Amino acid sequence: DTGVSQDPRHKITKRGQNVTFRCDPISEHNRLYWYRQTLGQGPEFLTYFQNEAQLEKSRLLSDRFSAERPKGSFSTLEIQRTEQGDSAMYLCASSLSGPEAFFGQGTRLTVV
Amino acid sequence: AQSVAQPEDQVNVAEGNPLTVKCTYSVSGNPYLFWYVQYPNRGLQFLLKYITGDNLVKGSYGFEAEFNKSQTSFHLKKPSALVSDSALYFCAVRDLGAGNNRKLIWGLGTSLAVNP
Repeated sequence: DTGVSQDPRHKITKRGQNVTFRCDPISEHNRLYWYRQTLGQGPEFLTYFQNEAQLEKSRLLSDRFSAERPKGSFSTLEIQRTEQGDSAMYLCASSLSGPEAFFGQGTRLTVV
Repeated sequence: AQSVAQPEDQVNVAEGNPLTVKCTYSVSGNPYLFWYVQYPNRGLQFLLKYITGDNLVKGSYGFEAEFNKSQTSFHLKKPSALVSDSALYFCAVRDLGAGNNRKLIWGLGTSLAVNP
């Protein structure tokens, strides 16, 4: 499968714990995006990388959230001290030269 | 402010009938417009895009969309609906007037139900 891959698909964690998600974009895609989607809502932009550079970060991304793309390939999204409001589907997408982005299946986070 | 509106939470059509899922947008500059589909427990799948040129764009699975600048709309259409088209449809816009900003602004989604 050469699509965007996200791991894990599901994560249940206790409030206050840290979690980390991984995204492997489509090979050679230099742009990578993280979005968050809650039930009944469209995706909300979190952050955007071009190669290893984080070019944009939403105000939604509090200081508990951090994303990296150290070698310009895979990316990680870490949430520290999780809260119940962090429960959502976290979506990763990648693109090359075109404006359309291709999405992974997402990581569903449940904070209990 | 940039925004996307999908005025219908749900659209119901009979199999074989034409379908339309509505989308209107508001951006400061020229838009890139997109439609994505989301099946249960699946990621968002790209259907089609409008960048420039012909106002009628064709995409995957027999879908098409018509860009109307005067009405700031980008409605998704299909001449003959299939039960397998039942899914959640999202309209999204990227504002070309926002510099190097590449983020997409999304609508809330429209649930399409095609009845056999």
